[in-house]
Amino acid sequence: AQSVTQLDSHVSVSEGTPVLLRCNYSSSYSPSLFWYVQHPNKGLQLLLKYTSAATLVKGINGFEAEFKKSETSFHLTKPSAHMSDAAEYFCVVSDPNDYKLSFGAGTTVTVRA
Amino acid sequence: DAMVIQNPRYQVTQFGKPVTLSCSQTLNHNVMYWYQQKSSQAPKLLFHYYDKDFNNEADTPDNFQSRRPNTSFCFLDIRSPGLGDAAMYLCATSRDQGGQAITTDTQYFGPGTRLTVL
Repeated sequence: AQSVTQLDSHVSVSEGTPVLLRCNYSSSYSPSLFWYVQHPNKGLQLLLKYTSAATLVKGINGFEAEFKKSETSFHLTKPSAHMSDAAEYFCVVSDPNDYKLSFGAGTTVTVRA
Repeated sequence: DAMVIQNPRYQVTQFGKPVTLSCSQTLNHNVMYWYQQKSSQAPKLLFHYYDKDFNNEADTPDNFQSRRPNTSFCFLDIRSPGLGDAAMYLCATSRDQGGQAITTDTQYFGPGTRLTVL
Protein backbone atom coordinates (compact mmCIF):
# COMPACT_ATOMS: atom_id res chain seq x y z
CA ALA A 1 0.00 0.00 0.00
CA GLN A 2 1.12 3.53 -0.64
CA SER A 3 0.15 6.86 0.82
CA VAL A 4 1.16 10.51 0.77
CA THR A 5 1.07 13.15 3.47
CA GLN A 6 1.43 16.80 2.60
CA LEU A 7 2.42 18.43 5.83
CA ASP A 8 1.03 21.90 5.12
CA SER A 9 -2.48 22.55 3.88
CA HIS A 10 -1.67 26.19 3.18
CA VAL A 11 1.58 28.09 2.59
CA SER A 12 1.79 31.86 2.25
CA VAL A 13 4.95 33.55 0.99
CA SER A 14 6.02 36.96 -0.19
CA GLU A 15 6.95 37.42 -3.82
CA GLY A 16 10.68 36.87 -4.29
CA THR A 17 11.11 34.69 -1.20
CA PRO A 18 11.71 30.91 -1.16
CA VAL A 19 8.89 28.39 -1.25
CA LEU A 20 9.00 25.02 0.55
CA LEU A 21 6.21 22.46 0.23
CA ARG A 22 6.65 19.35 2.35
CA CYS A 23 5.67 15.83 1.35
CA ASN A 24 6.20 12.48 3.07
CA TYR A 25 5.28 9.19 1.48
CA SER A 26 5.02 5.52 2.30
CA SER A 27 5.39 2.75 -0.23
CA SER A 28 6.16 -0.94 -0.25
CA TYR A 29 8.28 -0.58 -3.35
CA SER A 30 10.68 1.89 -4.89
CA PRO A 31 8.12 4.47 -5.84
CA SER A 32 7.74 7.01 -8.58
CA LEU A 33 7.03 10.42 -7.10
CA PHE A 34 5.48 13.44 -8.75
CA TRP A 35 4.54 17.02 -8.03
CA TYR A 36 1.59 18.45 -9.94
CA VAL A 37 0.31 22.03 -9.88
CA GLN A 38 -3.30 23.06 -10.43
CA HIS A 39 -4.33 26.64 -11.07
CA PRO A 40 -7.97 27.61 -10.44
CA ASN A 41 -10.39 25.87 -12.80
CA LYS A 42 -7.55 24.21 -14.67
CA GLY A 43 -6.25 20.67 -15.01
CA LEU A 44 -3.16 19.26 -13.31
CA GLN A 45 0.19 20.18 -14.79
CA LEU A 46 3.25 18.05 -14.15
CA LEU A 47 5.99 20.01 -12.40
CA LEU A 48 8.52 17.21 -11.99
CA LYS A 49 8.91 13.50 -11.33
CA TYR A 50 11.36 11.19 -9.58
CA THR A 51 11.90 7.69 -10.97
CA SER A 52 15.04 6.35 -9.19
CA ALA A 53 17.57 8.38 -11.12
CA ALA A 54 19.15 11.48 -9.55
CA THR A 55 17.77 12.29 -6.11
CA LEU A 56 17.60 16.01 -6.90
CA VAL A 57 15.00 16.54 -9.57
CA LYS A 58 14.64 19.75 -11.52
CA GLY A 59 11.27 20.68 -12.92
CA ILE A 60 9.58 23.45 -14.82
CA ASN A 61 9.25 27.07 -13.72
CA GLY A 62 12.28 26.92 -11.41
CA PHE A 63 10.93 24.22 -9.10
CA GLU A 64 13.00 21.33 -7.82
CA ALA A 65 12.50 18.49 -5.38
CA GLU A 66 14.83 16.24 -3.43
CA PHE A 67 14.13 12.57 -2.83
CA LYS A 68 15.35 11.41 0.58
CA LYS A 69 14.75 7.71 1.07
CA SER A 70 15.93 7.68 4.69
CA GLU A 71 13.34 10.32 5.55
CA THR A 72 10.71 9.10 3.05
CA SER A 73 10.35 12.68 1.91
CA PHE A 74 10.02 14.48 -1.41
CA HIS A 75 9.89 18.18 -0.60
CA LEU A 76 9.34 20.78 -3.33
CA THR A 77 11.26 24.05 -3.35
CA LYS A 78 11.64 27.18 -5.41
CA PRO A 79 14.24 29.85 -4.59
CA SER A 80 12.09 32.84 -5.48
CA ALA A 81 8.29 32.84 -5.59
CA HIS A 82 6.39 34.59 -8.36
CA MET A 83 2.79 35.75 -8.28
CA SER A 84 1.97 33.14 -10.93
CA ASP A 85 2.99 30.38 -8.49
CA ALA A 86 -0.22 30.90 -6.53
CA ALA A 87 -2.02 27.58 -7.01
CA GLU A 88 -2.78 24.16 -5.50
CA TYR A 89 0.09 21.69 -5.39
CA PHE A 90 -0.30 17.92 -5.16
CA CYS A 91 2.38 15.43 -4.18
CA VAL A 92 1.66 12.07 -5.79
CA VAL A 93 3.14 8.59 -5.41
CA SER A 94 2.89 5.68 -7.78
CA ASP A 95 4.14 2.17 -7.19
CA PRO A 96 6.00 0.73 -10.18
CA ASN A 97 3.63 -2.23 -10.50
CA ASP A 98 0.39 -0.28 -10.31
CA TYR A 99 -1.47 2.19 -12.48
CA LYS A 100 -3.09 4.00 -9.60
CA LEU A 101 -1.85 7.28 -8.23
CA SER A 102 -2.05 8.17 -4.55
CA PHE A 103 -2.57 11.88 -4.07
CA GLY A 104 -1.74 14.00 -1.09
CA ALA A 105 -4.47 16.30 0.20
CA GLY A 106 -2.88 19.27 -1.55
CA THR A 107 -1.15 22.47 -0.44
CA THR A 108 -2.59 25.84 -1.34
CA VAL A 109 0.09 28.43 -2.06
CA THR A 110 -0.65 32.13 -1.86
CA VAL A 111 1.91 34.72 -2.89
CA ARG A 112 1.82 38.18 -1.34
CA ALA A 113 2.97 41.17 -3.36
CA ASP B 1 1.89 20.08 -29.45
CA ALA B 2 0.71 16.72 -28.22
CA MET B 3 -1.98 17.16 -25.62
CA VAL B 4 -5.11 16.05 -23.81
CA ILE B 5 -8.24 17.99 -24.77
CA GLN B 6 -11.53 18.08 -22.89
CA ASN B 7 -14.83 19.45 -24.12
CA PRO B 8 -16.72 21.32 -23.04
CA ARG B 9 -14.73 23.22 -20.41
CA TYR B 10 -17.93 24.12 -18.57
CA GLN B 11 -21.14 22.08 -18.63
CA VAL B 12 -24.44 22.90 -16.98
CA THR B 13 -27.11 20.23 -16.75
CA GLN B 14 -30.36 19.70 -14.92
CA PHE B 15 -30.93 17.24 -12.13
CA GLY B 16 -31.52 13.83 -13.72
CA LYS B 17 -30.71 14.89 -17.29
CA PRO B 18 -28.04 12.71 -18.91
CA VAL B 19 -24.79 14.40 -19.80
CA THR B 20 -21.69 13.34 -21.75
CA LEU B 21 -18.21 14.74 -21.31
CA SER B 22 -15.55 14.28 -23.96
CA CYS B 23 -11.80 13.69 -23.88
CA SER B 24 -9.40 13.35 -26.78
CA GLN B 25 -5.64 12.94 -26.92
CA THR B 26 -2.90 13.32 -29.50
CA LEU B 27 -0.27 11.54 -27.38
CA ASN B 28 -1.18 8.09 -28.72
CA HIS B 29 -1.24 6.75 -25.16
CA ASN B 30 -2.92 3.41 -24.61
CA VAL B 31 -4.27 4.11 -21.11
CA MET B 32 -6.95 6.73 -20.42
CA TYR B 33 -8.42 7.70 -17.04
CA TRP B 34 -11.38 9.64 -15.70
CA TYR B 35 -11.14 11.41 -12.36
CA GLN B 36 -13.70 13.32 -10.32
CA GLN B 37 -12.43 16.25 -8.29
CA LYS B 38 -14.69 18.01 -5.82
CA SER B 39 -13.93 21.40 -4.37
CA SER B 40 -10.75 21.55 -2.26
CA GLN B 41 -10.13 17.82 -2.66
CA ALA B 42 -7.65 15.66 -4.52
CA PRO B 43 -8.79 13.93 -7.72
CA LYS B 44 -10.55 10.58 -7.26
CA LEU B 45 -10.17 7.88 -9.90
CA LEU B 46 -13.49 6.72 -11.37
CA PHE B 47 -12.24 4.24 -13.98
CA HIS B 48 -9.64 3.69 -16.66
CA TYR B 49 -9.24 2.05 -20.04
CA TYR B 50 -6.23 -0.06 -20.85
CA ASP B 51 -6.56 -0.10 -24.62
CA LYS B 52 -10.19 -1.23 -24.99
CA ASP B 53 -10.35 -2.97 -21.62
CA PHE B 54 -12.54 -1.09 -19.16
CA ASN B 55 -11.59 -1.10 -15.47
CA ASN B 56 -14.05 0.29 -12.97
CA GLU B 57 -13.02 1.35 -9.47
CA ALA B 58 -14.94 -0.55 -6.81
CA ASP B 59 -16.59 2.55 -5.34
CA THR B 60 -17.58 4.25 -8.60
CA PRO B 61 -21.38 4.60 -8.72
CA ASP B 62 -23.31 2.84 -11.50
CA ASN B 63 -24.53 6.25 -12.58
CA PHE B 64 -21.15 6.79 -14.22
CA GLN B 65 -20.32 5.01 -17.47
CA SER B 66 -17.58 5.38 -20.04
CA ARG B 67 -16.93 4.64 -23.69
CA ARG B 68 -13.72 4.51 -25.66
CA PRO B 69 -14.51 4.12 -29.38
CA ASN B 70 -10.86 4.42 -30.44
CA THR B 71 -7.39 5.17 -29.06
CA SER B 72 -7.84 8.94 -29.25
CA PHE B 73 -11.27 9.45 -27.70
CA CYS B 74 -12.90 8.62 -24.40
CA PHE B 75 -16.32 9.72 -23.09
CA LEU B 76 -17.77 9.98 -19.61
CA ASP B 77 -21.55 9.49 -19.42
CA ILE B 78 -23.48 10.46 -16.31
CA ARG B 79 -26.88 8.82 -16.70
CA SER B 80 -28.84 10.73 -14.06
CA PRO B 81 -26.80 13.53 -12.55
CA GLY B 82 -27.49 14.43 -8.96
CA LEU B 83 -26.50 17.55 -7.07
CA GLY B 84 -23.63 15.58 -5.54
CA ASP B 85 -22.13 14.96 -8.98
CA ALA B 86 -21.26 18.62 -9.45
CA ALA B 87 -17.47 18.62 -9.70
CA MET B 88 -14.48 19.05 -11.96
CA TYR B 89 -13.98 15.99 -14.20
CA LEU B 90 -10.43 15.35 -15.32
CA CYS B 91 -9.25 13.10 -18.11
CA ALA B 92 -5.69 11.77 -18.07
CA THR B 93 -3.58 9.54 -20.27
CA SER B 94 -0.45 7.47 -19.84
CA ARG B 95 1.68 5.00 -21.73
CA ASP B 96 1.99 1.45 -20.51
CA GLN B 97 5.61 0.51 -19.94
CA GLY B 98 4.89 -3.06 -21.01
CA GLY B 99 4.96 -6.38 -19.22
CA GLN B 100 2.21 -8.44 -17.70
CA ALA B 101 0.88 -5.78 -15.35
CA ILE B 102 0.17 -2.18 -16.06
CA THR B 103 3.25 -0.25 -15.11
CA THR B 104 2.38 3.09 -16.47
CA ASP B 105 4.44 6.10 -17.12
CA THR B 106 3.50 9.61 -16.06
CA GLN B 107 -0.15 10.58 -16.27
CA TYR B 108 -0.89 13.68 -18.35
CA PHE B 109 -4.05 15.57 -17.51
CA GLY B 110 -6.46 17.58 -19.60
CA PRO B 111 -7.80 20.99 -18.53
CA GLY B 112 -10.93 19.49 -17.04
CA THR B 113 -14.69 20.00 -17.44
CA ARG B 114 -16.48 21.86 -14.66
CA LEU B 115 -19.95 20.28 -14.27
CA THR B 116 -22.78 22.20 -12.63
CA VAL B 117 -26.04 20.43 -11.79
CA LEU B 118 -29.13 22.61 -11.32
